[in-house]
Amino acid sequence: DIQMTQSPSSLSASVRDRVTITCRASQSISSYLNWYQQKPGKAPKLLIYDASSLQSGVPSRFSGSGSGTDFTLTISSLQPEDFATYYCQQSYSIPYTFGQGTKLEI
Amino acid sequence: EVQLVESGGGLVKPGGSLRLSCAASGFTFSGYTMNWVRQAPGKGLEWVSSIRSSSTYINYADSVKGRFIISRDNAKNSLYLQMNSLRAEDTAVYYCARAVVGVSNWFDPWGQGTLVTVSS
Repeated sequence: DIQMTQSPSSLSASVRDRVTITCRASQSISSYLNWYQQKPGKAPKLLIYDASSLQSGVPSRFSGSGSGTDFTLTISSLQPEDFATYYCQQSYSIPYTFGQGTKLEI
Repeated sequence: EVQLVESGGGLVKPGGSLRLSCAASGFTFSGYTMNWVRQAPGKGLEWVSSIRSSSTYINYADSVKGRFIISRDNAKNSLYLQMNSLRAEDTAVYYCARAVVGVSNWFDPWGQGTLVTVSS
């Protein structure tokens, strides 16, 4: 199985900060990497697919980059509604696996 | 509007069974691979199972293989998860999610989830 490791596990930040979350795969997954946002009590929401493609309707302050084993999710200017938990997920091979999550807190 | 609505969760004793359903609307259900993903209380996301559009290709996580059965009824726009021999560690919110294929494939949208609690 491919292991996905996110860092940091939690992050304190302020509105208008620039934030970067890292996701590392245990083997190369090309660009088969997706990012989700989850708020408490809600279902995950797709933000980024294919490592760097912005899902329709997602604000442009979100961006993704990387390929192979190292990936990043960047929020260019944090807004109050961005405080949530973020997960990366590989779809290179089954079983699909998620990172452990990064909780973004004020 | 593309929508997925899960149902069937509840409290069940260890060793018991439960069948989850996911009703799809707003898209051509028969054209998409569908998935179940779960989240134990306070924990991260775990992919459980997937089923191709024509049910010809099915996969399971090792943690549920031999106990859970995924199925679908394209005529009813519905996805199912039959859960047998349930264990305490199966306690989780279960989400159904549509798989969209591009270079990779990704889950969008997700249902609101249904809670399964396995306890005596």
